[in-house]
Amino acid sequence: TQLLEQSPQFLSIQEGENLTVYCNSSSVFSSLQWYRQEPGEGPVLLVTVVTGGEVKKLKRLTFQFGDARKDSSLHITAAQPGDTGLYLCAGRDDKIIFGKGTRLHILP
Amino acid sequence: NAGVTQTPKFQVLKTGQSMTLQCAQDMNHEYMSWYRQDPGMGLRLIHYSVGAGITDQGEVPNGYNVSRSTTEDFPLRLLSAAPSQTSVYFCASRAPKGNEQFFGPGTRLTVL
Repeated sequence: TQLLEQSPQFLSIQEGENLTVYCNSSSVFSSLQWYRQEPGEGPVLLVTVVTGGEVKKLKRLTFQFGDARKDSSLHITAAQPGDTGLYLCAGRDDKIIFGKGTRLHILP
Repeated sequence: NAGVTQTPKFQVLKTGQSMTLQCAQDMNHEYMSWYRQDPGMGLRLIHYSVGAGITDQGEVPNGYNVSRSTTEDFPLRLLSAAPSQTSVYFCASRAPKGNEQFFGPGTRLTVL
């Protein structure tokens, strides 16, 4: 059984602080993805990482894929209230399997 | 393009009733999936399909049936609803080599 574990489960921090959330897998996927979900909506893809050691940046968000392609991290610099949401990592092969998510709340 | 559409948006069933959740996409995507989302559980894959006529089980398939007679449609059937199936259901689609999976708006199902 493929399993993706995300930590922390909940995170509440002040605006302007930095944070990192983690995704660890018991299996190797062809790629790992990060999604963000707002209440009442479906998840929206932020990034896909494919190569071990890969780093991708999306404005204040930095995504890293571990060398062994079994773990990933999402780092947010200078968090803003607009970053509040549920962040999900997902392993992609023919099917896409999700972790349980990190619920992030940025306090103004 | 409407993208991925789901009907109904809300549904209340009694235990033992049956129903079909509809999902359609107009992007000509080969791959389609059904997920359920429960508090604290992320999205769990119920069934998926890699093309018309092909379906496979995901992580939590029990109590659900699917079929894929066309590329566009991927209905999810609950044959005998149970309270444990109370959840928000999302349908999604993507191209075979595509990275982005597009989600529908979800169906909120309550089973009494």
